[in-house]
Amino acid sequence: EIVLTQSPGTLSLSPGERATLSCRASQTVGRNYLAWYQQKPGQAPRLLIHAASNRATGIPGRFSGSASGTDFTLAISSLEPDDFAVYYCQQYATSPLTFGGGTTVEI
Amino acid sequence: EVQLVESGGGLVQPGESLRLSCAASGFTFSKYWMNWVRQAPGKGLEWVAIIRQGGSEKYYVDSVDGRFTISRDDAKNSLFLQMDSLRAEDTAVYYCAGGSGWLMTDWGRGTLVTVSS
Repeated sequence: EIVLTQSPGTLSLSPGERATLSCRASQTVGRNYLAWYQQKPGQAPRLLIHAASNRATGIPGRFSGSASGTDFTLAISSLEPDDFAVYYCQQYATSPLTFGGGTTVEI
Repeated sequence: EVQLVESGGGLVQPGESLRLSCAASGFTFSKYWMNWVRQAPGKGLEWVAIIRQGGSEKYYVDSVDGRFTISRDDAKNSLFLQMDSLRAEDTAVYYCAGGSGWLMTDWGRGTLVTVSS
């Protein structure tokens, strides 16, 4: 099983600041099949990034993803009020599919 | 517009069974791999099961393998999760989600399952 460790657990920032979220995999994620999701209270997760660095349809350009070996990063270039939420990474290369524990981005 | 609508959640006692359904519309359901993902109250996301187009392949997380069964009816654009021998730790919001391959591009709003005596 691929274990995904997200850090930090909570990120306290202000609108306009840059957010950098980390996700470390316990082993290689095949074809970099790593996705990032945003979830707000009472809502379903929303796909932001797939295959480590590809924005999903309709996702603003301020969201970007990158990969270096087993380390994955989600960056939000300039936080908007709507971006304060919980972010999860997830690998979809190998069963069982696994999620990281989440990073809360708060004001 | 893609729509996934879960139903069938509710309050059950430990050891009982429940069957969840997910009605799909707005896309070609028969071309999607489909998943169930759950989220315990105040906790993170946990993938539960996945089923291939047509139902020929299924995979489960270890904690539900042998107790839960994922199935689909492509003619009715529907996904199901039969949950038997339910435990308190199965209490969660259950989401259906699907997409091209194993990537979950589209999600429903979820249905709450509570297992308690």
